[in-house]
Amino acid sequence: DGGITQSPKYLFRKEGQNVTLSCEQNLNHDAMYWYRQDPGQGLRLIYYSQIVNDFQKGDIAEGYSVSREKKESFPLTVTSAQKNPTAFYLCASRTSGGETVGGYTFGSGTRLTVV
Amino acid sequence: DAKTTQPTSMDCAEGRAANLPCNHSTISGNEYVYWYRQIHSQGPQYIIHGLKNNETNEMASLIITEDRKSSTLILPHATLRDTAVYYCIVRKGYSTLTFGKGTMLLVSP
Repeated sequence: DGGITQSPKYLFRKEGQNVTLSCEQNLNHDAMYWYRQDPGQGLRLIYYSQIVNDFQKGDIAEGYSVSREKKESFPLTVTSAQKNPTAFYLCASRTSGGETVGGYTFGSGTRLTVV
Repeated sequence: DAKTTQPTSMDCAEGRAANLPCNHSTISGNEYVYWYRQIHSQGPQYIIHGLKNNETNEMASLIITEDRKSSTLILPHATLRDTAVYYCIVRKGYSTLTFGKGTMLLVSP
């Protein structure tokens, strides 16, 4: 079955350490997105990529980095520069076929806790 | 993208229709209305979207007013598994989705 896989589901990190969250999709979607969600809040956009080897900052990109070397993969690195990294991180993808083909497909998320 | 306004929470009895309203009074002509829902600790799930006509799929119906300033998502026979946060989003073209706090729908037995 096609879908988006995020791993790991739970992640613990010590302060000052970088950590990379994985996001893989086999939907042949062109665009991929990373969102962050804090308790009781909506989703906030971190980074997005419309095509391989290209990506743009979202609303809260500081302290994060991404790469898009393959269409299927869009890993997110949470660096030590991110002041409050503890959150629920969601990856999504979407085809570039236009509005008639529907919405985003989301992964099941990674819950990151800094200890 | 236009801003949306949704009630913070709603209740619905199991088996009854759940009608979730959304105001988007500043919507422009080429902006679509999208609905997603998020069950606790899971990724959001796409439900339905529309431009100006009413839409229906296997999950729900979307009713958009003639002036397009508001819409209603209808779950015709709500079940306990429909308990979730429902997000109404307005988007145009290839702009990214902006999620507000949504409406927490609680379906009770």
